[in-house]
Amino acid sequence: GAGVSQSPSNKVTEKGKDVELRCDPISGHTALYWYRQSLGQGLEFLIYFQGNSAPDKSGLPSDRFSAERTGGSVSTLTIQRTQQEDSAVYLCASSTGQGRNYGYTFGSGTRLTVV
Amino acid sequence: AQTVTQSQPEMSVQEAETVTLSCTYDTSESDYYLFWYKQPPSRQMILVIRQEAYKQQNATENRFSVNFQKAAKSFSLKISDSQLGDAAMYFCAYRTPNTGNQFYFGTGTSLTVIP
Repeated sequence: GAGVSQSPSNKVTEKGKDVELRCDPISGHTALYWYRQSLGQGLEFLIYFQGNSAPDKSGLPSDRFSAERTGGSVSTLTIQRTQQEDSAVYLCASSTGQGRNYGYTFGSGTRLTVV
Repeated sequence: AQTVTQSQPEMSVQEAETVTLSCTYDTSESDYYLFWYKQPPSRQMILVIRQEAYKQQNATENRFSVNFQKAAKSFSLKISDSQLGDAAMYFCAYRTPNTGNQFYFGTGTSLTVIP
């Protein structure tokens, strides 16, 4: 596609339920990133994929969070047993990962509300 | 550790006037890149401008320019001839190839443009 696509755009879930957030990167972009943006906060790094592997999972806040990427393309971020503090906008970005000066292309995010 | 600080949570500017958004960063690396991203209400992060640390010349993109002071670790964004469409959250970001591909973001500055 022309840009990074994220779905759903908005998600309301009950506390304790599991949710899956999807990211479709730009075709050919080998690097994919997930960030979390809480209200009034900057972007908090969660996880980074190069191809299908995740060399950096250091930002995942707890073992309730996991992510996978298949076929070097679509990625899914899963949050199990959601808590109210998980409410945030989850942003995905992709890049070529090449060259020294690349920037990210971001999606429009998924706004997750845990009630 | 890499940190990015934006000390102005909110700024406002009259339409057609000039405004400067501040950003400082902390790093021990010599090879790095700096970015300004804009986030309108649509939530999508849009790259505004980027600067390579090894370049002394300040980057410019139309009405947007930076004042990069490497010794002071300062990277401010100047918006000239402000337009209503410039109203958004602005995030300063840092990346170094020496610690993987993670971007570090500041907490953002909310810019209001007054007609």
